[in-house]
Amino acid sequence: RKEVEQDPGPFNVPEGATVAFNCTYSNSASQSFFWYRQDCRKEPKLLMSVYSSGNEDGRFTAQLNRASQYISLLIRDSKLSDSATYLCVDSSGYALNFGKGTSLLVTP
Amino acid sequence: DGGITQSPKYLFRKEGQNVTLSCEQNLNHDAMYWYRQDPGQGLRLIYYSQIVNDFQKGDIAEGYSVSREKKESFPLTVTSAQKNPTAFYLCASSIGRRSETQYFGPGTRLLVL
Repeated sequence: RKEVEQDPGPFNVPEGATVAFNCTYSNSASQSFFWYRQDCRKEPKLLMSVYSSGNEDGRFTAQLNRASQYISLLIRDSKLSDSATYLCVDSSGYALNFGKGTSLLVTP
Repeated sequence: DGGITQSPKYLFRKEGQNVTLSCEQNLNHDAMYWYRQDPGQGLRLIYYSQIVNDFQKGDIAEGYSVSREKKESFPLTVTSAQKNPTAFYLCASSIGRRSETQYFGPGTRLLVL
């Protein structure tokens, strides 16, 4: 089974900081990539898709490096409400593979 | 509002008992999925269905069964053969292929008495 690997954290950052998460995927045939956010004891929610050219949505920027097979998520100006677990996801066209998540805690 | 609903929110199972988790969607999505999440673990695929009256096993199907008689509904039965059923069960749906973005219901927590 192809794996998606993430640093579980936790990442503890002060409000207003910039934080970056990386994740690596092992399946070179993966075609689609996503970041999901999961709050404690809740369902995962799509944060953003990740495109080859990189993409930005407000304070969030996602990057894909196919050569090195990693995906990154950058959060600028962290808010208390950003505290959650961030799941890295890839797809080979056959299945979605979820990483175990990176925990972020933003403190006042 | 369009979305995915799961019930119940909490479910308790006695030894040797079969229990059924409900999942309904009004997004008009063709594909539906069941995942299991254990503490500190990623999501693992139990079963998926890409069309009515058809479904396929995922990575951990043993001890589970599903049906897809209607496009909107994809119930999951946890049978007595599943020896470690305590987990957070998540239902998801997508417009079509498994690789497309999936949207999740709020989940059901199953506990064994």
